[in-house]
Amino acid sequence: EPEVTQTPSHQVTQMGQEVILRCVPISNHLYFYWYRQILGQKVEFLVSFYNNEISEKSEIFDDQFSVERPDGSNFTLKIRSTKLEDSAMYFCASSEAWGNYGYTFGSGTRLTVV
Amino acid sequence: AQKVTQAQTEISVVEKEDVTLDCVYETRDTTYYLFWYKQPPSGELVFLIRRNSFDEQNEISGRYSWNFQKSTSSFNFTITASQVVDSAVYFCALSHQDDKIIFGKGTRLHILP
Repeated sequence: EPEVTQTPSHQVTQMGQEVILRCVPISNHLYFYWYRQILGQKVEFLVSFYNNEISEKSEIFDDQFSVERPDGSNFTLKIRSTKLEDSAMYFCASSEAWGNYGYTFGSGTRLTVV
Repeated sequence: AQKVTQAQTEISVVEKEDVTLDCVYETRDTTYYLFWYKQPPSGELVFLIRRNSFDEQNEISGRYSWNFQKSTSSFNFTITASQVVDSAVYFCALSHQDDKIIFGKGTRLHILP
């Protein structure tokens, strides 16, 4: 079964540092997403990405966040200057078509900001 | 407003008991999708089911069953003959044609041996 792969599984970074979370979506998928889950809370939508541009972003996705598809396979989330409150599990997802068809989540990257 | 409410924060049952996790959603759209995900202690999101708004048939998959009722905007999930491995956080979720998924706050389920 095809998978969405996220690396690393756990990252620890110092406050103020930049961090890049990496995702490899399923190869024939066209729509890409990032979600965040602060420990013990619900999963929240951050951003969707299609055709090399952001389709939609939430109010959480402020100027310190950016996304990129630098090549044909990777999809990255960059946090420019991390804060303690950015500590969370970050999930990447991809889907084959509009309307959630084949929507698949990766196993997540746990980001700890110290 | 688009919202998913899981009123049960935490449930504990003894192994082999049946348990139902409640989910109530709010939406103004006529086309939408409902989901259930399982999050075990390892943290990943495990997809359980996706149901579109036009399909109100109940579904059974092994020990799992889902009851979708548009009249009450509910999409409840029942585990029959629960097992310790069912212990996890379960999220109900809603999506529209804009593709983002709106999650409920989750229900933490403890199955006691």
